Amino acid sequence: SQQGEEDPQALSIQEGENATMNCSYKTSINNLQWYRQNSGRGLVHLILIRSNEREKHSGRLRVTLDTSKKSSSLLITASRAADTASYFCATDANDYKLSFGAGTTVTVRA
Amino acid sequence: DTEVTQTPKHLVMGMTNKKSLKCEQHMGHRAMYWYKQKAKKPPELMFVYSYEKLSINESVPSRFSPECPNSSLLNLHLHALQPEDSALYLCASSPPLGGGAHETQYFGPGTRLLVL
Repeated sequence: SQQGEEDPQALSIQEGENATMNCSYKTSINNLQWYRQNSGRGLVHLILIRSNEREKHSGRLRVTLDTSKKSSSLLITASRAADTASYFCATDANDYKLSFGAGTTVTVRA
Repeated sequence: DTEVTQTPKHLVMGMTNKKSLKCEQHMGHRAMYWYKQKAKKPPELMFVYSYEKLSINESVPSRFSPECPNSSLLNLHLHALQPEDSALYLCASSPPLGGGAHETQYFGPGTRLLVL
């Protein structure tokens, strides 16, 4: 079942600009994860943030989590053409089931 | 070996056919998953196997039949599918953590299925 809602649905930016997308969810979580999917391919795990963490960095990625607002954001800095993809947040409320958001489609223009 | 492989990459089948999708990983992961993804939608969980036992079936129609012959292999048997079953079928696996919990999932490239 889909728990997360993502905003915006689509984002078009110039190469070198930053991209920010948001995810909101409804129930308590153990962790929140972000995945990337290139067109028609499998998902690639980007970053996991636990419910007791507020911010996490990985390379050009920065993720924040606000459990009081049940929301998270993903920032991609200095975007590249290769960042063109769909980005999904996924919440983990128990051992096995990830609930995916609707996704944000990011297009990076050269 | 750090990847999940899926075969075939593409599959076209008629509504009376029987076919199987195969997923393999050699990362020692003990949870394996089947997802269905329609165009421009997020993946929808179908089945979860943990330590080779079916632990979650998300009310999937019986025309989809999963099988986990061993810890590295996951199959999805297809029979009498409908055109609306056309989708990208993704397999994923995850490593066990302490206490049997699983977190990060590693996805295969998917099988694109078309039912005519």
